[in-house]
Amino acid sequence: ETGVTQTPRHLVMGMTNKKSLKCEQHLGHNAMYWYKQSAKKPLELMFVYNFKEQTENNSVPSRFSPECPNSSHLFLHLHTLQPEDSALYLCASSPGLGFETQYFGPGTRLLVL
Amino acid sequence: GIQVEQSPPDLILQEGANSTLRCNFSDSVNNLQWFHQNPWGQLINLFYIPSGTKQNGRLSATTVATERYSLLYISSSQTTDSGVYFCAVDTGRRALTFGSGTRLQVQP
Repeated sequence: ETGVTQTPRHLVMGMTNKKSLKCEQHLGHNAMYWYKQSAKKPLELMFVYNFKEQTENNSVPSRFSPECPNSSHLFLHLHTLQPEDSALYLCASSPGLGFETQYFGPGTRLLVL
Repeated sequence: GIQVEQSPPDLILQEGANSTLRCNFSDSVNNLQWFHQNPWGQLINLFYIPSGTKQNGRLSATTVATERYSLLYISSSQTTDSGVYFCAVDTGRRALTFGSGTRLQVQP
C-alpha cells in the first residue's frame, strides 16, 4: 500500500538530538494518527488529529511533539529522547473518525542511543 | 479501557493447512479491523468487520458483536501468509486498541 508514506524509514539518534518524522497521506482522508510499536508490546495510540486539530493525546511525554499543518501531512518532532523510546513509529489515516477503516504507513524504525 | 485478547499467540503450520485465529474483546465496539504485519513492519488491512462475515480469497472473517469475538480464517496457507496478525477495535474513542497479535509461521 502506498497511500500513506513515512520518512525516514530508519533513524538512529542520540539522546541530545532533535529529529522529525514525517507522514503524508495521498488518500484524501481527514483524520491522521501516530502509533508506537515497542518490542513485546501491543501497538499503542499516541496522537489523533481530525481536520488538523488534535483530538487525542494518549498521555504521551512532552519530548514527543506532533504537528499537523494540513490534513495530508503529520509530523512527530523528537527531542531529548530516551533509549526506551526506541520503537517502530507508525502513522495511519482514515476518512474520518470512528466508523472508518484506518490505513497504515510502512513505519519509521527509531533507535535511540 | 477495553481489553483485546488474541489467541493463539504463536502458530506454526505446514503449507496448505487451514487455521483459525481468534480475537476476544471486553466491550461493545463500533469498529474492528484485522491486519497482517509483514516482516518489514508494514500493517496491511485485511478486513474492516465490526459485525457479520466477509471473505477475500483464501481469507475470511466473522465477527459476532453480541458475543464480543471475531475469527479470522486462513485456508490453504502459503509461506507468504507468515507474519503477525493483529485484531484492533474502536469503542468510540475514535482510535484503535490493538491486541497482542498472533505470530504465524507457515513452513514449506
